[in-house]
Formats: sequence, structure tokens, C-alpha cells
Amino acid sequence: SQQGEEDPQALSIQEGENATMNCSYKTSINNLQWYRQNSGRGLVHLILIRSNEREKHSGRLRVTLDTSKKSSSLLITASRAADTASYFCATRQTGANNLFFGTGTRLTVIP
Amino acid sequence: DTEVTQTPKHLVMGMTNKKSLKCEQHMGHRAMYWYKQKAKKPPELMFVYSYEKLSINESVPSRFSPECPNSSLLNLHLHALQPEDSALYLCASSQDRTSGWNTGELFFGEGSRLTVL
Repeated sequence: SQQGEEDPQALSIQEGENATMNCSYKTSINNLQWYRQNSGRGLVHLILIRSNEREKHSGRLRVTLDTSKKSSSLLITASRAADTASYFCATRQTGANNLFFGTGTRLTVIP
Repeated sequence: DTEVTQTPKHLVMGMTNKKSLKCEQHMGHRAMYWYKQKAKKPPELMFVYSYEKLSINESVPSRFSPECPNSSLLNLHLHALQPEDSALYLCASSQDRTSGWNTGELFFGEGSRLTVL
């Protein structure tokens, strides 16, 4: 399987705290993306980091990528109840149209 | 609001039925995808179309038959499904990655929830 692994599987935090999710993958990649999914809904793209980048920011999101370790992390700062969702990393191989998703982290932010 | 529209939102079918899921996008994207997602699991890639041609088939059983009539439409024809095929079927689109100049971000529809009795 080309699926990545994420940890933790589930994370519960208080509003205002930071949430960190980790993703490990198996193959060489062109880029790594993070998506969010509210229960039973479609996925929404959050942020993309290319294989030649090490860190990227977007609003309250910070993503890091370590290609030598084949791993990435997503940090959500100052969490809000509305951030409650499942978060998936996804990897795209070089020159390919595929996009494979990791196992996901279910984040619960308690008001 | 998503720019990828999937119909129907819910579908219940028997194992002998033939039905179709439909997906439409008007963003000019030339790559379209079908994913299957079981409860509390990640989406699993099924098919990818690039410029209306099937480019990836992730060893999906033949009871699932994709079709891309034009650059805006993607169908998934269903026949003789099994109860274990019950899942959320997600359609997505993106600029075609093989051209080498796009980000590869996927835009997803809200999904079609399929129940096979």
C-alpha cells in the first residue's frame, strides 16, 4: 500500500491549545498536502508543501517536511471548536496524477 | 461551497441493481478522480482520468465501471455490488499533474453515500 501513516489517530484538546499531527509516508514524493474533512463531508485542501521546501505557513497552520525521514507535521495554533474534524496528509508522486491519503487524525477541540 | 457537484447525495441499491454516480466540475480541470471512503478510514483511490482518458485504475473490481464523457463530467457505473461496497464515494478534480506546471491540489465534491442491501 502507498498509504501514509498518521499519528496520533485521535487527539482531544482544549480550545486555545495547539494541535500537532504527524504523517509518515513511504515513497519519493513531489509534494505533500494536508486536507480537512468534517464528518461525512467532502475533503477540503488546507496547505501544500513541495519536496524542496522544509516549512510553510498559512494563517494558523504550520507544516514541516523532512524528506530524509519521509515525514511531515501539521501544527494548528490557537485551536477553535470549529477546527474539530479529521485531518489527512496526502502524497503525490513525481509526475503522477495519483494522490494517496494517510490514515488520518481525528481532532476534537473542546470549547 | 464546493465547485465539484456530485449526485445523488444518497443512494440505496440492491445487489442486482444497476445505478450510476455522477460528478461535474466547471473549473477547467483535466484530471478527475474517484475515491471510496469507508467510515473512519481514509479515502482510497479508485480511478484517475487525465484528459478524458483512464490513466490510473487501482485494481478496482469490474463491478465498478468509470466513464468520462467529457472534460467536465465523470460517472461511476455500479452493477452487481456487494454489501461491503457500501461507502462514501468521493469525486475530485485537479489540474493535470503530468503537465508539470500545476500544484496538484484536489477539489472534492461532498460525496455520494451508497448503501448496498
